[in-house]
Amino acid sequence: DIVMTQSPLSLPVTLGQPASISCKSSQSLVHSDGNTYLNWFQQRPGQSPRRLIYRVSNRDSGVPDRFSGSGSGTDFTLQISRVEAEDVGVYYCMQGTHWPVTFGQGTKLEIK
Amino acid sequence: QVQLVESGGDVVQPGRSLRLSCAASGFSINTHAMHWVRQAPGKGLEGVTVISYDEKNKYYADSVKGRFTISRDNSKNTLYLQMNSLRPEDTAVYYCARGAFQYFDWLSPDYWGQGTLVTVSS
Repeated sequence: DIVMTQSPLSLPVTLGQPASISCKSSQSLVHSDGNTYLNWFQQRPGQSPRRLIYRVSNRDSGVPDRFSGSGSGTDFTLQISRVEAEDVGVYYCMQGTHWPVTFGQGTKLEIK
Repeated sequence: QVQLVESGGDVVQPGRSLRLSCAASGFSINTHAMHWVRQAPGKGLEGVTVISYDEKNKYYADSVKGRFTISRDNSKNTLYLQMNSLRPEDTAVYYCARGAFQYFDWLSPDYWGQGTLVTVSS
């Protein structure tokens, strides 16, 4: 199975400041079709996960443009340009290139 | 508007069976892959099983292989998860999630339901 490793696991951020989460996979996420199926999810307290980013850098519909994704191969990053109060929650990376799909451990973002 | 509503979660004894349902609306499940993903209390996310849009491919996590079965009823636009020989470690919130259209990026879930809690305890 592909292991997804996120850092940091806890991320205290001041409102209006940027935030960055790293996600590294134990093997390349480039599919045989040439695409990289790396996703980012947000789970607010008491809610189900919501996808923010698909295929490394594509924002889902309705996701604010302060969220962006980047990376390639085995190294990926989720960036929030200016953190808002509604961004509090746990963020997960997830690979959809190989079965079983696997998730990172989660990064808990809180307001300092 | 895409909606997924899970039901069937309950408290059951180890070794017993349970069937979860996921009623979909706003799209047809026979054009999308469909997933079950679980989250143990206070823990992270684990992909349990997925069924392809044409039902030709069904994958299971090793932890549930041989005990859980994914299926769907296209006429009811509903996904199911039959869980047999339940163990305490199966205790979790079970989410139904939609995969992509047909086979492109089919292993990546986009929309998720609100989840249903399964507790396995004597």
